Amino acid sequence: GESVGLHLPTLSVQEGDNSIINCAYSNSASDYFIWYKQESGKGPQFIIDIRSNMDKRQGQRVTVLLNKTVKHLSLQIAATQPGDSAVYFCAEKNTGFQKLVFGTGTRLLVSP
Amino acid sequence: SAVISQKPSRDICQRGTSLTIQCQVDSQVTMMFWYRQQPGQSLTLIATANQGSEATYESGFVIDKFPISRPNLTFSTLTVSNMSPEDSSIYLCSVGTSQWSSYNEQFFGPGTRLTVL
Repeated sequence: GESVGLHLPTLSVQEGDNSIINCAYSNSASDYFIWYKQESGKGPQFIIDIRSNMDKRQGQRVTVLLNKTVKHLSLQIAATQPGDSAVYFCAEKNTGFQKLVFGTGTRLLVSP
Repeated sequence: SAVISQKPSRDICQRGTSLTIQCQVDSQVTMMFWYRQQPGQSLTLIATANQGSEATYESGFVIDKFPISRPNLTFSTLTVSNMSPEDSSIYLCSVGTSQWSSYNEQFFGPGTRLTVL
């Protein structure tokens, strides 16, 4: 496979556990946030987004939490499955500039 | 969502040569973006390519090194010129799905994996 995630922080969990991936974003003016999942050899895949006027948004098995006070974003994955193993990136945007800035990423390893 | 394809999917090139990467989208989109992902790293925006205007480059990227074409609303190319081993990366095409809202999902192609010897 490719070397995506080779030097990234790693979160190891057991299948069935809940996973929490954290991200500290840099720009207090950012008002839109996206989580992406990148599997080896593939491009980033959109998971869930959240606007700055919200502090929580839920999808299928995933929840994103936003804390603007401390510029922190988290992705919670319920009942983690081996297929969730990938590198996860948060991305932020100031919608006045249309530029999406990516965080450093976290590799999630799910053991059966 | 938009379906994005890139050609080539990977290539191995010699130092000093140039490679043109193609990005095709299955629907018309206003905003297209090119990113670079160096080994083990996150994604860095190279430039924004909107149809009908010159590409806008980010700090550290210049048109002579990364010329971009955007001939229509479904296609773009990125050329990596005069390549060196430091250009070895994954190059990703991305599109914004709505020209009317800034809160729009941004989708990515599968990437082009470039190795320069």
